[in-house]
Amino acid sequence: AQSVTQLDSQVPVFEEAPVELRCNYSSSVSVYLFWYVQYPNQGLQLLLKYLSGSTLVKGINGFEAEFNKSQTSFHLRKPSVHISDTAEYFCAVSDGDYKLSFGAGTTVTVRA
Amino acid sequence: DAMVIQNPRYQVTQFGKPVTLSCSQTLNHNVMYWYQQKSSQAPKLLFHYYDKDFNNEADTPDNFQSRRPNTSFCFLDIRSPGLGDTAMYLCATSREGGHTGELFFGEGSRLTVL
Repeated sequence: AQSVTQLDSQVPVFEEAPVELRCNYSSSVSVYLFWYVQYPNQGLQLLLKYLSGSTLVKGINGFEAEFNKSQTSFHLRKPSVHISDTAEYFCAVSDGDYKLSFGAGTTVTVRA
Repeated sequence: DAMVIQNPRYQVTQFGKPVTLSCSQTLNHNVMYWYQQKSSQAPKLLFHYYDKDFNNEADTPDNFQSRRPNTSFCFLDIRSPGLGDTAMYLCATSREGGHTGELFFGEGSRLTVL
């Protein structure tokens, strides 16, 4: 089974500043990569996913992520955050079976 | 419109008192999952159904059971909850068993065991 490491548990950031959330996964022949967002007291919502093709993936709400196979990373970025981006972000990976392995999550707090 | 609906959103129960959490979906997805998420931790898969086929994770406690009477509904039964079962329980669905697709999550049921 895959394992996922999110290197930052908490990321405070000022409004309109850029943010990067780091994610590394254990290597495999092929993987499918996902970022989910969880707002307080809500379920998880898909931000973006990498299945194949271009290594730069664009998602909802202005987020994007880059798949780097040699570094086994899938970092999430947004050039300018809003207060409404305050949430917990989960990186997840699958090697094609039914099981999605999640990282421990990164809490992003956006301050005015 | 909500596509994966969980009830109740909040549940408080006493140690050892059975509890049932429900999940319904309007997506007609063939796979349904139950995840347990403890505070500040990643969601942990408990089990999933691929149609009627039940798949239990090896480390899911025997205390946790599930039922899927039809495509739309899935239940999580905790027979004798312990204090350590306090968590958010997330139901999710997907259209296919493999993870080339997206998981659709409900808003979760937050269980507190006193």
